[in-house]
Amino acid sequence: GAGVSQTPSNKVTEKGKYVELRCDPISGHTALYWYRQSLGQGPEFLIYFQGTGAADDSGLPNDRFFAVRPEGSVSTLKIQRTERGDSAVYLCASSSTGTNTEAFFGQGTRLTVV
Amino acid sequence: GQNIDQPTEMTATEGAIVQINCTYQTSGFNGLFWYQQHAGEAPTFLSYNVLDGLEEKGRFSSFLSRSKGYSYLLLKELQMKDSASYLCAASGTYKYIFGTGTRLKVLA
Repeated sequence: GAGVSQTPSNKVTEKGKYVELRCDPISGHTALYWYRQSLGQGPEFLIYFQGTGAADDSGLPNDRFFAVRPEGSVSTLKIQRTERGDSAVYLCASSSTGTNTEAFFGQGTRLTVV
Repeated sequence: GQNIDQPTEMTATEGAIVQINCTYQTSGFNGLFWYQQHAGEAPTFLSYNVLDGLEEKGRFSSFLSRSKGYSYLLLKELQMKDSASYLCAASGTYKYIFGTGTRLKVLA
């Protein structure tokens, strides 16, 4: 596609539920990143994929968070047993090769846990 | 450790020049990015510095000093639409580390 696409744009879920957030990167981009942004803060790194593999998942806050990119294109961020503190905008970005080129961001998924 | 510092807020007048500073400490440093983010929108790329010096792009310029761990973004001929957050990001081996952003208000 023309840009990075994220679905859904908004998600409201109850505490304890499971959610999946989807990211469709720019076609041909091998690098894909997930970030989380809270109000008034900069994006906080979660995980980086190069192709199908997670090259760096050091930003995932705990084992409730998991992400996959099985075919090296679309990625899904999965959050189990959601907590109110997980509420934030989840941003996905892709770049052509890695961090030596600019990242293009999607519009984000606003997750609200009630 | 990894740390990015930039001012929280700045205010300037339409038509003026403003400089937003950023200091960084990060391992495996590749280069320094600046992004613009309007409220409720995704960050959009403004500039990238990998070598020391000034990069100019129209009304926007960015400077990098690798030895000092310092960068700035210079915005000239400010317009009302420049009111936004400006994010400084240091790129490392596997990720971009973002600062908290500088919220710029442009006043008429």
